[in-house]
Amino acid sequence: AQSVTQLDSQVPVFEEAPVELRCNYSSSVSVYLFWYVQYPNQGLQLLLKYLSGSTLVKGINGFEAEFNKSQTSFHLRKPSVHISDTAEYFCAVSGDTGGFKTIFGAGTRLFVKA
Amino acid sequence: DARVTQTPRHKVTEMGQEVTMRCQPILGHNTVFWYRQTMMQGLELLAYFRNRAPLDDSGMPKDRFSAEMPDATLATLKIQPSEPRDSAVYFCASGLVGAQPQHFGDGTRLSIL
Repeated sequence: AQSVTQLDSQVPVFEEAPVELRCNYSSSVSVYLFWYVQYPNQGLQLLLKYLSGSTLVKGINGFEAEFNKSQTSFHLRKPSVHISDTAEYFCAVSGDTGGFKTIFGAGTRLFVKA
Repeated sequence: DARVTQTPRHKVTEMGQEVTMRCQPILGHNTVFWYRQTMMQGLELLAYFRNRAPLDDSGMPKDRFSAEMPDATLATLKIQPSEPRDSAVYFCASGLVGAQPQHFGDGTRLSIL
């Protein structure tokens, strides 16, 4: 069975500081990994995805994530955050079994302070 | 930009009433998901369709919830009778089968009084 653990429920950070949102997964099969962002009163939007190939994945809004198979991690990073990055971030995993059903983590609320 | 459309965006009703939420997936997408989001439980998968056939509805309370896809352009989620504990934001998402991301609608915010 697949599972996703987001290690921090909330991450406060000052504007222009770097940030890392941590995500660990477990899966017995090949995995496909995603980060989504949710702004208030909106649905989730895809930030980036890892399907195969390069382990460093770049997404929208200056975010990137690194797939680490040995650590079973897919941490999200941004070198300098803006106030507008304040949102909830979800890590998700999908795989070849279960009909590619996607499992979402519990979410990490990023709060960027001025 | 193609979008998943959900209606209504907000619904307030009294307990015991029937609630129907609708979703128009992105044209060409062959998978549809229904999720429920609450502060306490986070994002929960209720049902999952592929090519209009239900693949997994194990997350859905069967006694009061039902999900259908009468055609490829419409998915519905019904609650009958509704209860206050059903108050949540319900999201529909669509995608292509395989290792592809899902596209979410903006949700239906449901309040059962």
